[in-house]
Amino acid sequence: GDSVTQMEGPVTLSEEAFLTINCTYTATGYPSLFWYVQYPGEGLQLLLKATKADDKGSNKGFEATYRKETTSFHLEKGSVQVSDSAVYFCALSGGAQKLVFGQGTRLTINP
Amino acid sequence: EAGVVQSPRYKIIEKKQPVAFWCNPISGHNTLYWYRQNLGQGPELLIRYENEEAVDDSQLPKDRFSAERLKGVDSTLKIQPAELGDSAVYLCASSLDLAGGYYEQYFGPGTRLTVT
Repeated sequence: GDSVTQMEGPVTLSEEAFLTINCTYTATGYPSLFWYVQYPGEGLQLLLKATKADDKGSNKGFEATYRKETTSFHLEKGSVQVSDSAVYFCALSGGAQKLVFGQGTRLTINP
Repeated sequence: EAGVVQSPRYKIIEKKQPVAFWCNPISGHNTLYWYRQNLGQGPELLIRYENEEAVDDSQLPKDRFSAERLKGVDSTLKIQPAELGDSAVYLCASSLDLAGGYYEQYFGPGTRLTVT
């Protein structure tokens, strides 16, 4: 079945550091790919998405590119802020509105 | 616009007791989802409703879990009897699905269940 594997956390960085959270997937067909973020005490929020190969999703300074050849969708941000501290989930949708999530990566940014 | 509302936010019960969770989706959203999120894991789909109809309940443990979505709006997820392994966060999400493709799912804050 479809699955998502993402970088294990926790990840701790200093403010203004460069961020990469790795995500790879296994799926039949051509899934859509997503990054969700969960801030403390809040529900999951869609951060960005890409629906086909080579698409780049971006939002709030975060970017991820759908790489079909490496089955990856790594999340990047050039300069993180304390407010980016959260848990990040990579997910795919292979169809029928079903989301398959990775295990999540907890990110802590220190001032 | 109000988001997805869930209650209660926290629940502690003893094993073998029943428990119920309630979800009010975003107004007008026709599709509703229940997910379970174990500690340190991503959410896993339990059941998906399109209006009143459960269209995907393949991951719902039907021996002890039940769900309903009367009138195609609010939904209730019930566990009876609860087991220690049911301790998790139960998330509700909703989306407005028109025709084909993927439509963004909006998540509620979840109900954290602890079974002792």
